[in-house]
Amino acid sequence: DADVTQTPRNRITKTGKRIMLECSQTKGHDRMYWYRQDPGLGLRLIYYSFDVKDINKGEISDGYSVSRQAQAKFSLSLESAIPNQTALYFCATSPEGITDTQYFGPGTRLTVL
Amino acid sequence: AQSVAQPEDQVNVAEGNPLTVKCTYSVSGNPYLFWYVQYPNRGLQFLLKYITGDNLVKGSYGFEAEFNKSQTSFHLKKPSALVSDSALYFCAVRDSTGGGNKLTFGTGTQLKVEL
Repeated sequence: DADVTQTPRNRITKTGKRIMLECSQTKGHDRMYWYRQDPGLGLRLIYYSFDVKDINKGEISDGYSVSRQAQAKFSLSLESAIPNQTALYFCATSPEGITDTQYFGPGTRLTVL
Repeated sequence: AQSVAQPEDQVNVAEGNPLTVKCTYSVSGNPYLFWYVQYPNRGLQFLLKYITGDNLVKGSYGFEAEFNKSQTSFHLKKPSALVSDSALYFCAVRDSTGGGNKLTFGTGTQLKVEL
């Protein structure tokens, strides 16, 4: 969905490096999410934010941190990358309602050597 | 806690034949159910959702899904498969009670439609 953009699209880095993945959206949604996708495991929630001042841990937040710089921007950081964090990372946004659909960015493929 | 199961890692079907991708769920309250599709090198795209009402939900690209409360299932169906339907399909659930608006995804089912 072009309304949700992620940079970079691909990144190769080395163990111990600090990495930041960025997400921007033009849908005007308050809620933003970071997921990682691993083969056979589906998508797992890392962090989510219901507005600029509300950030929450998901099911697999260890080793990650986030920053919500504005309503439209939500960044994911790996403070010290490890090979186990090699995965496909997706950002998503949604309106506030519990029945609302989440809209996903194109993903960032991260490889940690 | 909410959970989703997609029992098949891969489904193979011939073009023109009907297809079914299975999904079962577990929630404490009422389920809000979603299907997403992922094409290679793309993000997830929304297909359809069940919130309430008619058990048969129609979505994008000719897909539909049937909600069955007694079997706690939400299977994705299409009457006539196309080669272009080949992709990875995810079922997801959100519980109407608690869960913090979080969406729980299944592990995905790879659909392969062959000529």
